[in-house]
Amino acid sequence: DTAVSQTPKYLVTQMGNDKSIKCEQNLGHDTMYWYKQDSKKFLKIMFSYNNKELIINETVPNRFSPKSPDKAHLNLHINSLELGDSAVYCCARSWMTGDEQYFGPGTRLTVT
Amino acid sequence: KQEVTQIPAALSVPEGENLVLNCSFTDSAIYNLQWFRQDPGKGLTSLLLIQSSQREQTSGRLNASLDKSSGRSTLYIAASQPGDSATYLCAVSDGGSQGNLIFGKGTKLSVKP
Repeated sequence: DTAVSQTPKYLVTQMGNDKSIKCEQNLGHDTMYWYKQDSKKFLKIMFSYNNKELIINETVPNRFSPKSPDKAHLNLHINSLELGDSAVYCCARSWMTGDEQYFGPGTRLTVT
Repeated sequence: KQEVTQIPAALSVPEGENLVLNCSFTDSAIYNLQWFRQDPGKGLTSLLLIQSSQREQTSGRLNASLDKSSGRSTLYIAASQPGDSATYLCAVSDGGSQGNLIFGKGTKLSVKP
């Protein structure tokens, strides 16, 4: 149990829709991350939040926006979904940036 | 730009065999290196974390080594079991203000009974 939960586990939606994926950690860790795992299982960092502050933002389209209402949550909002957004989105946590990271179960997003 | 490579991409061994998975990275200025396993349809499970100042870490039948100067890490699995079948991922962190993990593409391990 990594104490990271994601909802929903599966999400099927149509192109052009706006959707959100939620991530919650209950250990009070300072840093949370979003990674994208593509169809070839390759993982790439999207965002990280440290104490509610965005500290990295890789080359991700601005249709993707992380929202952290509090330290325990880092939600991912995606606007105007495209077919290429289909992937598994993985949330992770760590005590501080650079510490060991623990991952949630992932959310499989399918855009039709 | 940091790149992480894992060889082989897939490996099949009979039960009971000892095996080694390899990971290499291009920039030796890493903060730490983490090994994960991923079962089909599941999230990543952290196996071992090696800080840049360490040479190896052990957990049960798993032993991970780190040679930062040569940009290499190995994951040794002793007495493999069918339950070890999974994809093993290596990732390096540059720490500091970023802390993001850069992953290899993984080694898919199959242990045959």
